[in-house]
Amino acid sequence: NAGVTQTPKFQVLKTGQSMTLQCAQDMNHNSMYWYRQDPGMGLRLIYYSASEGTTDKGEVPNGYNVSRLNKREFSLRLESAAPSQTSVYFCASTRGQGALGQETQYFGPGTRLLVL
Amino acid sequence: GENVEQHPSTLSVQEGDSAVIKCTYSDSASNYFPWYKQELGKRPQLIIDIRSNVGEKKDQRIAVTLNKTAKHFSLHITETQPEDSAVYFCAASIRTGGFKTIFGAGTRLFVKA
Repeated sequence: NAGVTQTPKFQVLKTGQSMTLQCAQDMNHNSMYWYRQDPGMGLRLIYYSASEGTTDKGEVPNGYNVSRLNKREFSLRLESAAPSQTSVYFCASTRGQGALGQETQYFGPGTRLLVL
Repeated sequence: GENVEQHPSTLSVQEGDSAVIKCTYSDSASNYFPWYKQELGKRPQLIIDIRSNVGEKKDQRIAVTLNKTAKHFSLHITETQPEDSAVYFCAASIRTGGFKTIFGAGTRLFVKA
């Protein structure tokens, strides 16, 4: 099992450009999450998907959209990138068989995004 | 709003000593408290977790304690080794309609050989 995979690993954008971050998991997990990690601020939840077909806002959703394409894949889209979105983005998944958010989260390797 | 404070931000110990990282949370409805370890350039990985109906949990050299009354929880690492050097994050999770997990800002632990 590859676990949780993310593409790309690194991306440079100019202000106003758009891009989609891809995430896939092969653990048959029901729930998936997108976080951003900034220095000195820990991880902050952007959006999550409790199960296939559902998505909900997290702590910092502004400027982002998500799509739960199928059970395996959960993408994050920046429609018009801003320098404030420079960050490391982590996708995560959980089995989704217990209480949401209260199971082990398995993280992807991260995408480092720089917006100029 | 909900908040998780984590202290210290940096901790340096000698190999073999113990390390303690403390977190406080603001929402009394929090009921799940995981700890993640993140090595440089790597992804966070769960090392231990505790639920609100338990006061202490131990796994080899790692232990976590929870004081619900004071809204404190702590990570204890005994007999530290250089490979314990990493950033450690605490988190508090609430099941409210959807859910909410708030992470602390992290503690950078250096274990000197």
